Amino acid sequence: KAGVTQTPRYLIKTRGQQVTLSCSPISGHRSVSWYQQTPGQGLQFLFEYFSETQRNKGNFPGRFSGRQFSNSRSEMNVSTLELGDSALYLCASSSLGTNYEQYFGPGTRLTVT
Amino acid sequence: GENVEQHPSTLSVQEGDSAVIKCTYSDSASNYFPWYKQELGKGPQLIIDIRSNVGEKKDQRIAVTLNKTAKHFSLHITETQPEDSAVYFCAANQAGTALIFGKGTTLSVSS
Repeated sequence: KAGVTQTPRYLIKTRGQQVTLSCSPISGHRSVSWYQQTPGQGLQFLFEYFSETQRNKGNFPGRFSGRQFSNSRSEMNVSTLELGDSALYLCASSSLGTNYEQYFGPGTRLTVT
Repeated sequence: GENVEQHPSTLSVQEGDSAVIKCTYSDSASNYFPWYKQELGKGPQLIIDIRSNVGEKKDQRIAVTLNKTAKHFSLHITETQPEDSAVYFCAANQAGTALIFGKGTTLSVSS
């Protein structure tokens, strides 16, 4: 079974721009969660989508949004980028949700200059 | 909400020794406790997990113990090998909530 894939792997953006990251979950998994990883804050939960519905949301500003498509692929969008948004963005897929086994992708490294 | 504390932040052991990483959680309703291993340039990899109705779980050289009364759980790695060197994260949650991670432990195994 193919693992979780994320595209792109690396991204450099300028302050004020917006960015869209993509995640393809393991086949058959309906839950996709997004996390932000930084050296200072560690792994922080952004949101979870299950069958195209946002089921849970972390404590991030409204500039961070996401969606899930009918094939379970998910995208997250960050608008009006700030320097502090520089991070590794990870998505994780699960058959049932955050209270069950989650499998992470390799992440997208976003650098905001 | 849930808060997870993880200790130590760094751990150095000799090959063949055991390594223990400890985590405490704050929400007594949490019932799922996974451990992840993250190698450089990769995403976290689930290595073992435990639920609150179980006190201990083993998988070859890796074991996790859970003390619900004290609200702490630990990862035990026996007979460590250089390939065990990585950052390890504990996490906790209950159904319908975000998975909350500890800050991580950098394990270095020297041969």
